[in-house]
Amino acid sequence: EVQLLESGGGLVQSGGSLRLSCAASGFTFSTSNMDWIRQAPGKGLEWVSFITSSGESTYYADSVKGRFTISRDNPKKTLYLQMNSLTAEDTAVYYCARGGWVDWGQGTLVTVSS
Amino acid sequence: DIQLTQSPSSLSASVGDRVTITCRASQDINTYLAWFQQKPGKAPKSLIYGASNLQSGVPSKFSGSGSGTDFTLTISSLQPEDFATYYCQQYNSYPRTFGGGTKVEIK
Repeated sequence: EVQLLESGGGLVQSGGSLRLSCAASGFTFSTSNMDWIRQAPGKGLEWVSFITSSGESTYYADSVKGRFTISRDNPKKTLYLQMNSLTAEDTAVYYCARGGWVDWGQGTLVTVSS
Repeated sequence: DIQLTQSPSSLSASVGDRVTITCRASQDINTYLAWFQQKPGKAPKSLIYGASNLQSGVPSKFSGSGSGTDFTLTISSLQPEDFATYYCQQYNSYPRTFGGGTKVEIK
C-alpha cells in the first residue's frame, strides 16, 4: 500500500523558516517524480513545486520561487520542502503527491503568524 | 501561465441528478487535464486523467470529455457520497494550475 506521510508543519512567525518532510513507502520512491501542493484555509488547491525522480530537475510556482526549495533523499525515501521568508500568504495545508497525483499524503498544516 | 476557469463555482443538486461541471483553459492544453474530488478535511482524490480516462477504482458514473480548451466532468446520477468540491487541473505545462473549484451541495 502506498503511503505518504507529511510532517514538519506548525506555527511560525512571519519571516521564519520551516522544513517539511514527506516519508514515502509502498512504492519505488527513487523512480517517482514528486510534487508539493498546498491549500490555504477555505481556498482552492495551489501547486507549489515539482522534482524529478533523480532530483536533477525542479520547478516552482512563482509565488514561492526564490524562497522555497524542494529536495529529496532517495535512500531515505523522503521528500523535503525547505520554506524560507514565510509570510501569512503561505499559511496552508501542504500535501505531497506522487507523480500522476493518484497518491497524496494527509497534509501538514503550516500557519504563519504576522 | 495557463488559467483554468471552472463553472459553476457551486451548485445545488438532488440525489439522482445528472451534474455537469465545465473547465475552460486560457490556451490549448490538448487533453492534459485531470479532475479531482475533495471532501472536507481530506486530500484530493484523482478521478480522471487525460481529460477522459477514469482512474482505477473510480465508478463509471464519472466521465470526462473535451480537448483543447473546453472540458467537462459529468456525474451521471448523483449519490450522497458525491457531494464534494471538484477541481480541474492542467498538466500541459509548468506551472501546473487548478481551476477554482466547484462545490456540489445537496438541494
